[in-house]
Amino acid sequence: SYELTQAPSVSVSPGQTARIICSGDALPKQYAYWYQQKPGQAPVLVMSKDIERPSGIPERFSGSRSGTTATLTISGAQAEDEADYYCQSLDSSGDYVFGSGTKVTVL
Amino acid sequence: QMQLVQSGAEVKKPGSSVRVSCKASGGTFTTYAVTWVRQAPGQGLEWVAGIIPLYGTTTYAQNFQGSVTVTADEATNTVNMELSSLRYEDTAVYYCARADYYYDSSGHPRLDAFDIWGQGTMVTVSS
Repeated sequence: SYELTQAPSVSVSPGQTARIICSGDALPKQYAYWYQQKPGQAPVLVMSKDIERPSGIPERFSGSRSGTTATLTISGAQAEDEADYYCQSLDSSGDYVFGSGTKVTVL
Repeated sequence: QMQLVQSGAEVKKPGSSVRVSCKASGGTFTTYAVTWVRQAPGQGLEWVAGIIPLYGTTTYAQNFQGSVTVTADEATNTVNMELSSLRYEDTAVYYCARADYYYDSSGHPRLDAFDIWGQGTMVTVSS
């Protein structure tokens, strides 16, 4: 089955830049979406259609996609950005696949 | 701003069925799709199914074909997900989420971003 690959964890110092990478063979043809999930809470959409930031999401979040890779960037990470981040896309069979998630630690 | 309110936690025996509901408040599902995503304890997110309530059009993940049924009640602005033949591995938090949708070049409806999520419903399968 189709997979989206993410690194299990990323660490970043406060104020520095964190890049969360998602890799998948279908990404050249499909949009990537990104969700943030804090412990005990429902996921929150933080990036839509590769680069569109939903209303209410801070400007320090940005997205990009090139070839088989999509990237969510947090510029000037803050303590409240500590969370799990999941990428999501559509595979060729019509399933909406999530990546395995990346735990972002701000320390 | 629309909110999605889900039904309460369930404990079910293996082989039984469970129904989880998702009700919209502060808006309607008329121009949206509703999708279901689950998360097993300590695990990642897994897409289960989706429905366009206006047309009753459904789409199911390959792993859930035949075991999940999603229906919509426009009168009560509620979407229901029924999972049958429960197994221990179905123990998870089940989330509903609102999604925009579009039609691809083949005319198939496709879900866009899952932009508003319910609070989640814990389903525990235990003997």
